[in-house]
Amino acid sequence: KQEVTQIPAALSVPEGENLVLNCSFTDSAIYNLQWFRQDPGKGLTSLLLIQSSQREQTSGRLNASLDKSSGRSTLYIAASQPGDSATYLCAVPPWGNTPLVFGKGTRLSVIA
Amino acid sequence: GAVVSQHPSRVICKSGTSVKIECRSLDFQATTMFWYRQFPKKSLMLMATSNEGSKATYEQGVEKDKFLINHASLTLSTLTVTSAHPEDSSFYICSARDRNTDTQYFGPGTRLTVL
Repeated sequence: KQEVTQIPAALSVPEGENLVLNCSFTDSAIYNLQWFRQDPGKGLTSLLLIQSSQREQTSGRLNASLDKSSGRSTLYIAASQPGDSATYLCAVPPWGNTPLVFGKGTRLSVIA
Repeated sequence: GAVVSQHPSRVICKSGTSVKIECRSLDFQATTMFWYRQFPKKSLMLMATSNEGSKATYEQGVEKDKFLINHASLTLSTLTVTSAHPEDSSFYICSARDRNTDTQYFGPGTRLTVL
């Protein structure tokens, strides 16, 4: 059974810092990996999707990497801003149309 | 980016009534949609997976007769909470997987309060 773990559970950084969020999964046979953010009381916003054949994806100040063999993904946020404060979730579908397995998230606070 | 809408965004109802929540993928087709619920400061909990044109698959512990799911088309799924009780009060979020890109998009959520 696939399990997804995110470390740290919470992180507080001053504005402008670069930071890394970690995600690990127990079964490397994944279809893809997706990073989301969730603001309090809101739905999830898809940030990046990495296919199993890819090693990284970039969108603006965000860069996500994937190492399937070691069961790890990282989300790098450059020059953090207070607007980046949210809970960040990584998730993997075992295959095709199966439901995403989520980590419990990292709650990020960027202090102005 | 792709958008998933939910309606209504908030609903307050009396105990014993039924509430229908709609989930639509606005600019892509989704053969598979998912329904989640989330309690305050807790993780998302998957309730069911619905495939267009077939019966939904419910997670263990989720009553299929209480949470009726219909996936009528490639862009619409509905969740009906029947005979709602105060303990059904929660944040319900739907998600749709783009059949072309495999990316899963989430709706903004529906906050249900049962009095």
